[in-house]
Amino acid sequence: GAVVSQHPSWVICKSGTSVKIECRSLDFQATTMFWYRQFPKQSLMLMATSNEGSKATYEQGVEKDKFLINHASLTLSTLTVTSAHPEDSSFYICSARGNSLMNTEAFFGQGTRLTVV
Amino acid sequence: DAKTTQPTSMDCAEGRAANLPCNHSTISGNEYVYWYRQIHSQGPQYIIHGLKNNETNEMASLIITEDRKSSTLILPHATLRDTAVYYCIVRALLYNQGGKLIFGQGTELSVKP
Repeated sequence: GAVVSQHPSWVICKSGTSVKIECRSLDFQATTMFWYRQFPKQSLMLMATSNEGSKATYEQGVEKDKFLINHASLTLSTLTVTSAHPEDSSFYICSARGNSLMNTEAFFGQGTRLTVV
Repeated sequence: DAKTTQPTSMDCAEGRAANLPCNHSTISGNEYVYWYRQIHSQGPQYIIHGLKNNETNEMASLIITEDRKSSTLILPHATLRDTAVYYCIVRALLYNQGGKLIFGQGTELSVKP
């Protein structure tokens, strides 16, 4: 399957600082990327959908000013957690899908574990 | 997207077939059935998907009932490395219908020696 890479794999930051997570599609052009968050022993929760060159669409209850998403190219999307607090500590996962007219399976990055202290 | 129902957990003996059921009684005609799995602390891994015909690939087989209201993922010879949470998801067929993957709670499969 296609390869999606996230960076960093883990990060520890101080409360009040901002953290940027990168998601790259390495061998295909990803028109659409999805960002998920997963708390321990819970399922993945979709945060937002981003399409290249346009603003992200956020799921209900997700603060768009806190979780900034940029999808500036067909191979890169970034998620910035602004003014992070301990409750933002979680496993963040991105997913990317190609741009064919028919549905294609989405491929996932390996995830980024964020710990805010 | 239609809701799916899966058992919370299942055990399987190593080397035996693992059969993971999924109910999706409200599935629409334009929705595919997708299966992903997540090994602890990793991103989900695509396994297989289908519309109405049974599908097989190198990882698994997918059996979809004729009325499409349920399906079964079959891992023919489970190994310890197949221990993971398995997610059954139904999703719109066409790209321009969104096609978001909404995860339920999944089935935690434990393969035991």
